[in-house]
Amino acid sequence: AQTVTQSQPEMSVQEAETVTLSCTYDTSESNYYLFWYKQPPSRQMILVIRQEAYKQQNATENRFSVNFQKAAKSFSLKISDSQLGDTAMYFCAFMKLPIIQGAQKLVFGQGTRLTINP
Amino acid sequence: DTEVTQTPKHLVMGMTNKKSLKCEQHMGHRAMYWYKQKAKKPPELMFVYSYEKLSINESVPSRFSPECPNSSLLNLHLHALQPEDSALYLCASSQGQGATEAFFGQGTRLTVV
Repeated sequence: AQTVTQSQPEMSVQEAETVTLSCTYDTSESNYYLFWYKQPPSRQMILVIRQEAYKQQNATENRFSVNFQKAAKSFSLKISDSQLGDTAMYFCAFMKLPIIQGAQKLVFGQGTRLTINP
Repeated sequence: DTEVTQTPKHLVMGMTNKKSLKCEQHMGHRAMYWYKQKAKKPPELMFVYSYEKLSINESVPSRFSPECPNSSLLNLHLHALQPEDSALYLCASSQGQGATEAFFGQGTRLTVV
């Protein structure tokens, strides 16, 4: 079974600062995806960024980037130039491959509540 | 249209009631999901429908009954729930074979009294 651990229950930074959220995972699989989802007060889970395990290059999406360390089973999220709209719960998630019959199975960490202060 | 629409947004029901949650998407996605999320916890997968067939049931009690009438619609029928079933119920969809992004709705906040 896979487990995902987020060791920071809460974090708080000032607007425009850079913040890094930590995530570690445990798996015996060699082929998988990792994700960061955000859940703002609106409750909707929104995909922030994804990383394929076989790709060595770290994924980036505008102000969001990851530091993927496969051997260490670590997958941290860096948010640069943080904005008030980044305030949300952030979940790290694991999905093993292959996807059977098109059905994903996401395993989520416990989440990190991030607050961006003005 | 990249929306997954869930109705109702809020629901209060008694332990003897029967109610249904509805989820709709018009993105042509062929996999649809129900998740349960307790307060301050991550979502937990309940059911997955793939190509309108139930493909994953995470040992969910029978008082929760999913239904997928067509490829755009997913229901969750509720009967004889317990107060501990109070939670946010999230619906999601993904494209199907090879798809890695799941699109989530805003959830139904369910309170069982």
